[in-house]
Amino acid sequence: GQQLNQSPQSMFIQEGEDVSMNCTSSSIFNTWLWYKQDPGEGPVLLIALYKAGELTSNGRLTAQFGITRKDSFLNISASIPSDVGIYFCAGRMDSNYQLIWGAGTKLIIKP
Amino acid sequence: GAGVSQSPSNKVTEKGKDVELRCDPISGHTALYWYRQSLGQGLEFLIYFQGNSAPDKSGLPSDRFSAERTGGSVSTLTIQRTQQEDSAVYLCASREVAPNQPQHFGDGTRLSIL
Repeated sequence: GQQLNQSPQSMFIQEGEDVSMNCTSSSIFNTWLWYKQDPGEGPVLLIALYKAGELTSNGRLTAQFGITRKDSFLNISASIPSDVGIYFCAGRMDSNYQLIWGAGTKLIIKP
Repeated sequence: GAGVSQSPSNKVTEKGKDVELRCDPISGHTALYWYRQSLGQGLEFLIYFQGNSAPDKSGLPSDRFSAERTGGSVSTLTIQRTQQEDSAVYLCASREVAPNQPQHFGDGTRLSIL
């Protein structure tokens, strides 16, 4: 089935550093979503993108919908300990109700 | 307001037993999804319900898996004759069926098959 390539798989960073992760697809999407999942909880929506080229911020988080509609990135500025978790991208094609999910990026902050 | 509620939060059972997992979606959300998440993995789509339409069961991995949604609200996912490979977190999500409405997730049921 459809796959999203999400990278990196994991990141070890120092507190205060900026973080960048991305997702690419071989298919065109009309929606990109970024979720965060904390241990023992379900994914929580961070940012939703609906238009090619759209750049949206949510606090220290910024995400962009790639102009080709086949990719998206998420940046986190000045990381803090509570940013630890797994970040998932998800995309939707046309009016399909299904989301295609990336495999996740695990963010670990070095003490 | 109340979010998506799933129960139980944890379930441990012996191989071969049947299990039933429950999802209470957000009130007014007519679309409901079940996903499976194996340890350290992404989300695997299982089944989708929308109103009175026939569900999309294309993600169910075998005929041991079934799901119902009664009255357009609460849903139950049933796994018969559980196997060890069924061990995973089972997540439920709901959404309003309107343009650009995202899925809202419950905290999942962690299923462990001994």
